[in-house]
Amino acid sequence: LAKTTQPISMDSYEGQEVNITCSHNNIATNDYITWYQQFPSQGPRFIIQGYKTKVTNEVASLFIPADRKSSTLSLPRVSLSDTAVYYCLVGPRFSGGYNKLIFGAGTRLAVHP
Amino acid sequence: SQTIHQWPATLVQPVGSPLSLECTVEGTSNPNLYWYRQAAGRGLQLLFYSIGIDQISSEVPQNLSASRPQDRQFILSSKKLLLSDSGFYLCAGRLAGGYEQYFGPGTRLTVT
Repeated sequence: LAKTTQPISMDSYEGQEVNITCSHNNIATNDYITWYQQFPSQGPRFIIQGYKTKVTNEVASLFIPADRKSSTLSLPRVSLSDTAVYYCLVGPRFSGGYNKLIFGAGTRLAVHP
Repeated sequence: SQTIHQWPATLVQPVGSPLSLECTVEGTSNPNLYWYRQAAGRGLQLLFYSIGIDQISSEVPQNLSASRPQDRQFILSSKKLLLSDSGFYLCAGRLAGGYEQYFGPGTRLTVT
């Protein structure tokens, strides 16, 4: 599984757009990029997944350049409730039935009033 | 949709005591199931995963064990807890053929 690198922490203010970048230089051809969100004392929650270009859902957008060696999670107009840890994961979408997810330390996003 | 149930929510146990954490899955059959542990301020460490009844794989050698006696039941156990076993334990499931993992609410274990 490809190793990922993301900032340890970020600060933002309500109403701003937040972009969290993840580096994955050794991403494999069949790897997908997935982001999870975790609030304190809760399990992570799936946010978005993509393979290339741009993916958008009701929560976030995911931008993936052509070389796929990095990706950016974009949260539009954050609120205090977006304060959480965000994890970037890279791996095969279907991993022979096992789909082991490797969670790093993630990025702690703090949104301030 | 798939729902992961875990209990208890919190647990305080003395060193050397046994442990049994239960996880059940609702809303799907034949899920892949996972146990993770999270230390304070850290990422998730995968402990065990299972692709079916009595099919368990261990990621990290330790004094914990896991069992899957039924399709939608996953149990984490220990015969004798260590102080280092303290942490936030999360059960997760993945639909057969799916890619998203769904997590339970977690159990915060404190070993004293």
